[in-house]
Amino acid sequence: AQSVAQPEDQVNVAEGNPLTVKCTYSVSGNPYLFWYVQYPNRGLQFLLKYITGDNLVKGSYGFEAEFNKSQTSFHLKKPSALVSDSALYFCAVGGDSNYQLIWGAGTKLIIKP
Amino acid sequence: EAGVAQSPRYKIIEKRQSVAFWCNPISGHATLYWYQQILGQGPKLLIQFQNNGVVDDSQLPKDRFSAERLKGVDSTLKIQPAKLEDSAVYLCASSWASERYEQYFGPGTRLTVT
Repeated sequence: AQSVAQPEDQVNVAEGNPLTVKCTYSVSGNPYLFWYVQYPNRGLQFLLKYITGDNLVKGSYGFEAEFNKSQTSFHLKKPSALVSDSALYFCAVGGDSNYQLIWGAGTKLIIKP
Repeated sequence: EAGVAQSPRYKIIEKRQSVAFWCNPISGHATLYWYQQILGQGPKLLIQFQNNGVVDDSQLPKDRFSAERLKGVDSTLKIQPAKLEDSAVYLCASSWASERYEQYFGPGTRLTVT
């Protein structure tokens, strides 16, 4: 069965520093991988996806994610963090059927000025 | 482009009462999803519609939850009777039929059952 893990409940980064939010996955075939962000009192927003192609995927708001097949990881990255990046980040993997998304538990990202 | 609309935004009810949530997806999106998000957890899919047909409702507690999308556009999710453990945020999402992994979410309805 497909699964996804976000090993960190919270990540703290100083503004201007690079950030990484970790995600590992388990799938039986080719992975379909996604990152979503949730700001307080707002719905989830799509950030980026990996279906096939280049291992480095670029998304919204300056975020990117690196697909690593050997490590079964799909970490979210940004070269220089902004205070406004503070939010809850979810990694998701495409499920076996019906285009269902299997979600991680989320990582709270706190960017300190 | 208007986003996914949900109402109400907040609802407080007592256990054993009933409640209904409404969702209007992005125009043209054939696929509609209802998720339950409990605090500290990722979203859990309750039901997925393709137009007005149910694609997946395997995680919907059918003894108390029901959902419909009669005309293939907006949708209603109902809980009757509510339990304390139903306290959560209920998220509605929609997507193009050809891009079902890329889902657009509404702001959610925060339900508190007392």
